[in-house]
Amino acid sequence: GEDVEQSLFLSVREGDSSVINCTYTDSSSTYLYWYKQEPGAGLQLLTYIFSNMDMKQDQRLTVLLNKKDKHLSLRIADTQTGDSAIYFCAERVWNRDDKIIFGKGTRLHILP
Amino acid sequence: KAGVTQTPRYLIKTRGQQVTLSCSPISGHRSVSWYQQTPGQGLQFLFEYFSETQRNKGNFPGRFSGRQFSNSRSEMNVSTLELGDSALYLCASSQDGGMSGNTIYFGEGSWLTVV
Repeated sequence: GEDVEQSLFLSVREGDSSVINCTYTDSSSTYLYWYKQEPGAGLQLLTYIFSNMDMKQDQRLTVLLNKKDKHLSLRIADTQTGDSAIYFCAERVWNRDDKIIFGKGTRLHILP
Repeated sequence: KAGVTQTPRYLIKTRGQQVTLSCSPISGHRSVSWYQQTPGQGLQFLFEYFSETQRNKGNFPGRFSGRQFSNSRSEMNVSTLELGDSALYLCASSQDGGMSGNTIYFGEGSWLTVV
């Protein structure tokens, strides 16, 4: 299968850490991506991780990959109001069409 | 470096009409992919063009078509529009379709409303 699953909503208090989770089904994934979409805008690539990596950190962003469980997470430290957006998890699937499969996105809401 | 440019940004069409959307990728990028985004279905892959050839295609009816020109600019066309075609159409550009982790950049999208 080629499903990428994410929870649809997440609410976090400003200053706390946000953790957005994603599961995927295709074991032939090579690259996994996180994109951010602000209202009325296109998708902005936040980060990506190669499937043989366990973790990637970039400033306030930490990506964790559990390949055995096919679980990917994005942690945003010190969440700010500007982080309010929809976050998409995506996987690159090599086994057939080399397509990029996106999850439906997690809407991150920041509480004051 | 200019980003991915999509035109038009907003348009309204009536059922039965056809529409053409345009995408100019980042200079030097040879891969252009198109996606349809709707609230119910999320992001759905339409097709990818690389060096003027369609390399991949998603599960959309034949009313959805595209092409890529020698300068890598791409157009997608939807004929005989249906109400369900109302969506944000996103174009993504990359050097090689995202292989080797090369960054994939998205445009701001074209908002299509079919009435």
